[in-house]
Amino acid sequence: EVQLVESGGGLVQPGGSLRLSCAASGFTFSDYYMDWVRQAPGKGLEWISRSRNKANSYTTEYAASVKGRFTLSRDDSENSLYLQMNSLKTEDTAVYYCARCLYCSSSTWGYMDVWGKGTTVTVSS
Amino acid sequence: DIQMTQSPSSLSASVGDRVTITCRASQGVSSHLAWFQQQPGKAPKPLIYAASSLQSGVPSKFSGSGSGTYFTLTISSLQPEDFGTYYCQQYTGYPLTFGGGTKVEIK
Repeated sequence: EVQLVESGGGLVQPGGSLRLSCAASGFTFSDYYMDWVRQAPGKGLEWISRSRNKANSYTTEYAASVKGRFTLSRDDSENSLYLQMNSLKTEDTAVYYCARCLYCSSSTWGYMDVWGKGTTVTVSS
Repeated sequence: DIQMTQSPSSLSASVGDRVTITCRASQGVSSHLAWFQQQPGKAPKPLIYAASSLQSGVPSKFSGSGSGTYFTLTISSLQPEDFGTYYCQQYTGYPLTFGGGTKVEIK
């Protein structure tokens, strides 16, 4: 079964740091681009970052709202994706979802076909 | 950034009704448009990709159409399990962007 499981969420003070993990199973993780999407309480969905695969040098993309504060990495040997979040703000409070991009490549745009259940991050003093 | 605008923001319909949700992009996105359903407390579930292709396992009562800047999602016969919020999303440029959502309630 194709599955993504996020972990690492919790309560953190403004200015603090947190590292989220996404464990993948049931597919060849190294072949895929991977995304993080978040959802603030009662709000809509916001894409925040993308990791390309090894064939595309693991390059990354970020939304302006997190660029310079969040860093995306992956360990294909562990089938895991990581989101290092620094300088956290109250507006980063959200459920964070990990998602797989199907059909994504250097020449094609793909869509998020598999999602984890999410992990909750609360930034509050 | 490409802005995605959905309408209506909410609707209430009866079981068996045909429901249509629209999504407009601020600039052309070709057919790089997906639709998701999200129920309370759950992750988004993909319904449609490439504007009109049905995700595997999704019932055929869901259909999508459009290209460029105008898209629609139609539920041919609304059922009680179809409640939730529906989002469109473009994937033709960064940042990837979602519409604001359409909340569907069953009368």
